[in-house]
Amino acid sequence: VQLQESGPGLVKPSGTLSLTCDVSHGSIHSSYWWSWVRHSPGMGLEWLGEIYHGGGTYYNPSLKSRIIISRDKSKNQFYLNLTSVTAADTAVYYCARSFFSISGSFFETWGQGILVTVSS
Amino acid sequence: EIMMTQSPVTLSVSPGERVTLSCRASQSVSRKLAWYQKKPGQAPRLLIDSASTRATDVPARFSGSGSGTEFTLTITSLQSEDFAVYFCQQYNKWPNTFGQGTKLEIK
Repeated sequence: VQLQESGPGLVKPSGTLSLTCDVSHGSIHSSYWWSWVRHSPGMGLEWLGEIYHGGGTYYNPSLKSRIIISRDKSKNQFYLNLTSVTAADTAVYYCARSFFSISGSFFETWGQGILVTVSS
Repeated sequence: EIMMTQSPVTLSVSPGERVTLSCRASQSVSRKLAWYQKKPGQAPRLLIDSASTRATDVPARFSGSGSGTEFTLTITSLQSEDFAVYFCQQYNKWPNTFGQGTKLEIK
């Protein structure tokens, strides 16, 4: 499987960060979950959330109500929406395929990442 | 959330050497611990899951051990391609959390 992130590299403060992860050579209909992780100098690596092809989601509580992860099975894509962004949301954002368990998940395959800067 | 602490932050080593990286959890994570390798400009790569299970195509010079709160990643006979940043991650309790990383640099 291969994953590729896409979306705007610059988002204004208080705006919404929207990213797409395109899944190729594999299907999001599989038994895996599909995650978003970001990496910033200040916060290090931070798991944001994940989704199953059936629509179930898990989110990092630190993001409270700002995050929505969705998927489009027909396009074999999943998405990240993060609202009310600030400079603290500046990071490299990765999508990843995850092995899910009832207690947590780890990340078996990652995309190349996309740098998103929050600035006016 | 569970805090993951890695040590040292940076390690200067020579090719061919054996190196051990440490990862400590703020509470027990059983054996639900993964290790990743990250090189500049590249996607992170899963090396180890379940504390000691090597991922597909990971060379045998990489090995993981530990349980509970103390874990190690050992790399025997360092190759030039092994100089990178290594992260640990627990998945025993939501949310998944990562260590801050250990950078292996050439001495």
